[in-house]
Amino acid sequence: DIVMTQSPDSLAVSLGERATINCKSSQSVLYSSNNENYLAWYQQKPGQPPKVLIYWASTRESGVPDRFSGSGSGTDFTLTINNLQAEDVAVYYCHQYYTTPYTFGQGTNLEI
Amino acid sequence: QVQIQQWGAGLLKPSETLSLTCAVYGGSFGGYYWSWLRQTPGKGLEWIGEINDSGSTNYNPSLKSRVTLSLDTSKNQFSLKLSSVTAADTAVYYCASLTGTRRWGQGTLVTVSS
Repeated sequence: DIVMTQSPDSLAVSLGERATINCKSSQSVLYSSNNENYLAWYQQKPGQPPKVLIYWASTRESGVPDRFSGSGSGTDFTLTINNLQAEDVAVYYCHQYYTTPYTFGQGTNLEI
Repeated sequence: QVQIQQWGAGLLKPSETLSLTCAVYGGSFGGYYWSWLRQTPGKGLEWIGEINDSGSTNYNPSLKSRVTLSLDTSKNQFSLKLSSVTAADTAVYYCASLTGTRRWGQGTLVTVSS
């Protein structure tokens, strides 16, 4: 299985500041034939299912504010949230869909 | 916009079979794999398996022996059965399209208790 490891486990950031969450996969999730990284980022608020923010490592889902951005390739990825808003308080997960069994990071708890 | 609605029994006794169903509304059912996942505070998000509109399946080896996925394309529905449940199967279960629309069902809390 591909192990996804996020850092940090918990993060406190002031309103208007930047939050950075890292994700490392135990093997590359870059598919050479199409040069795509099979990596997504999800946001989960209490009592709700996860909601996709970013897929293909850096493609923002429709309707997601542009303060959310994803970067990285191969085994190292980053989710950046600029100008942090109160509604961004949530748990964030990275997810690889490169190969089954699909796996997720352990989650990063973002607080204000 | 694709929406997914799920339902099923929320309280089971040990050794019973968990049964959940998801329905897909407002979008294409075909051409995608449809997944089942579960979430616990201890193990986080765990992928159970997936099925496509042709009935092709992939399973998590950790659960494969107890999982059956099926679908009804006439109703745009897909289902999960997990046999011989124990307390360790207590979790919130989700259905989702992880590689297509990336939409998730609302989740079902399943509790296994005698």
